[in-house]
Amino acid sequence: GQNIDQPTEMTATEGAIVQINCTYQTSGFNGLFWYQQHAGEAPTFLSYNVLDGLEEKGRFSSFLSRSKGYSYLLLKELQMKDSASYLCAVMDSNYQLIWGAGTKLIIKP
Amino acid sequence: IAGITQAPTSQILAAGRRMTLRCTQDMRHNAMYWYRQDLGLGLRLIHYSNTAGTTGKGEVPDGYSVSRANTDDFPLTLASAVPSQTSVYFCASSDSGQGELFFGEGSRLTVL
Repeated sequence: GQNIDQPTEMTATEGAIVQINCTYQTSGFNGLFWYQQHAGEAPTFLSYNVLDGLEEKGRFSSFLSRSKGYSYLLLKELQMKDSASYLCAVMDSNYQLIWGAGTKLIIKP
Repeated sequence: IAGITQAPTSQILAAGRRMTLRCTQDMRHNAMYWYRQDLGLGLRLIHYSNTAGTTGKGEVPDGYSVSRANTDDFPLTLASAVPSQTSVYFCASSDSGQGELFFGEGSRLTVL
């Protein structure tokens, strides 16, 4: 079966760096997405990786290793507004998105 | 502001009743999706449409139906609601079906 694993919850301190990991086993691979979802709101797109390596976008970076079935989202200079759930999703060979359950990130002052 | 509009935002419904969740987008996206989100689970695809006039079943289609009469609208119908359909429902769209998804604000449905 297809599976996306990510930690349920993480806690970090304002101003620090946090890395949220995602491992996947899917039928084929056509890219990996990260979305941010604040409580009670809709998910919003953060990043997309289809080739191995690091994609940087401001304070957020996303890394992919296809051979290891592994990705991480790196958040730098954490702000209180970064408190949210972070969803990892993989597009399989049929171009369907398989979603992880999300990682709830709690930022403490 | 362009985007996706869902209605209603919240609804309490008696079991056995019929309910339609509405979804409208003004971005002229070809692909549209309906997901449900439950605590502790990832988003699960109910139905999708790659283009107007076509629909397909997702991971959890039972008890739900959709139609795609035109590009903009993609309603989701629960023919006879059951308590297990209590969830938050998100409508989403994408331009090509292979890229970024844009989500509506969600519809919180409670079936008693």
